[in-house]
Amino acid sequence: AQSVTQLDSQVPVFEEAPVELRCNYSSSVSVYLFWYVQYPNQGLQLLLKYLSGSTLVKGINGFEAEFNKSQTSFHLRKPSVHISDTAEYFCAVIASNDYKLSFGAGTTVTVRA
Amino acid sequence: DAGVIQSPRHEVTEMGQEVTLRCKPISGHDYLFWYRQTMMRGLELLIYFNNNVPIDDSGMPEDRFSAKMPNASFSTLKIQPSEPRDSAVYFCASSPEPGLAGGPDYNEQFFGPGTRLTVL
Repeated sequence: AQSVTQLDSQVPVFEEAPVELRCNYSSSVSVYLFWYVQYPNQGLQLLLKYLSGSTLVKGINGFEAEFNKSQTSFHLRKPSVHISDTAEYFCAVIASNDYKLSFGAGTTVTVRA
Repeated sequence: DAGVIQSPRHEVTEMGQEVTLRCKPISGHDYLFWYRQTMMRGLELLIYFNNNVPIDDSGMPEDRFSAKMPNASFSTLKIQPSEPRDSAVYFCASSPEPGLAGGPDYNEQFFGPGTRLTVL
């Protein structure tokens, strides 16, 4: 089975500052990794995904993430956040031989002016 | 496309009542997933369908929960009888043919806006 740990439950950040959201996973098989964003009262939207290839993945809205196999991490970053980035962010993993996503507990990002 | 449609958006009911949540997936998507989101347990996969057939219902919490997909454009999640601990946001998601997870034709899951269920 796979599991995901998001190390920060709440991340307050000022507008135009950088942000990093940490995600670690555990699995006995190869996995693929995702970051989803959930804006208030909305469903989840895919930010980016790592399937293979370059370990640095770029997504929508200026986000990027880096897959580190040795550290079993997939941290999400944005160099300069906007008020509109206020949302909950979920890291998710899927085993290479499965169709089921396992989600982390989520990180709430609050961007202040 | 309108995206994944869920109804109702909010449901408040009394303990013991039957609750039916509805989902219309994106046209052409072969996979449909039902998730539950709570503060205590986060996002959990309840069940998923492929071409209207339930594939894995191991996440369904108990016999009070049932899900059906009578055709490619409609699915229901039913709770009978409902209990206060069922209060949560229920999401439906759909995906085109994902093939092997992570393969070159792997596609993301598209989520609906959710149904917020409150059982009093």
